[in-house]
Amino acid sequence: GDSVTQMEGPVTLSEEAFLTINCTYTATGYPSLFWYVQYPGEGLQLLLKATKADDKGSNKGFEATYRKETTSFHLEKGSVQVSDSAVYFCALTHNNAGNMLTFGGGTRLMVKP
Amino acid sequence: NAGVTQTPKFQVLKTGQSMTLQCAQDMNHEYMSWYRQDPGMGLRLIHYSVGAGITDQGEVPNGYNVSRSTTEDFPLRLLSAAPSQTSVYFCASSYSRPSDYEQYFGPGTRLTVT
Repeated sequence: GDSVTQMEGPVTLSEEAFLTINCTYTATGYPSLFWYVQYPGEGLQLLLKATKADDKGSNKGFEATYRKETTSFHLEKGSVQVSDSAVYFCALTHNNAGNMLTFGGGTRLMVKP
Repeated sequence: NAGVTQTPKFQVLKTGQSMTLQCAQDMNHEYMSWYRQDPGMGLRLIHYSVGAGITDQGEVPNGYNVSRSTTEDFPLRLLSAAPSQTSVYFCASSYSRPSDYEQYFGPGTRLTVT
């Protein structure tokens, strides 16, 4: 079945450091890909998405490119802030109907001042 | 707009007890869903609904029932709680299917079954 694999955390960075969180997927067909973020004590929020190969999703300084050849959707940010500390989830649509999302295990990011 | 609301925030049950987790949204969203979040496993879909009167199973439906009598509400019922159902439960809603529209998540319910 479809699956999403993320790098295990926690990832600890100093403020202004470069961030990469790896995400790879296994899926049939052409899934849409997402990054969701969960701040402490809250529900998940959509960060960015990409719906076809070579699309780049971006939001709040974060970017991710849909790479079909490597089945990857790595999340990057050039300069992280303390406020970016959260858990980040990579996800994809589960089937052609697009009704079901499959999430990766999540990666906790901790940014120190 | 209150968005997606969930009650209760915390709950402790004994094995075999039943309860209903409440979820409501005021955004007139057609699609609603329930997930459970367990450490290292991300979120897994329990049940979802594409509109009032229509529900379907997700990835881990066993032990849970749902119904959707109105657009606004989507309760999740545990008929006989088990320790394996200890988890954080999230309700989410969107205008339509998640592949096309952002899902809005509630704040979660932390359930412990002893």
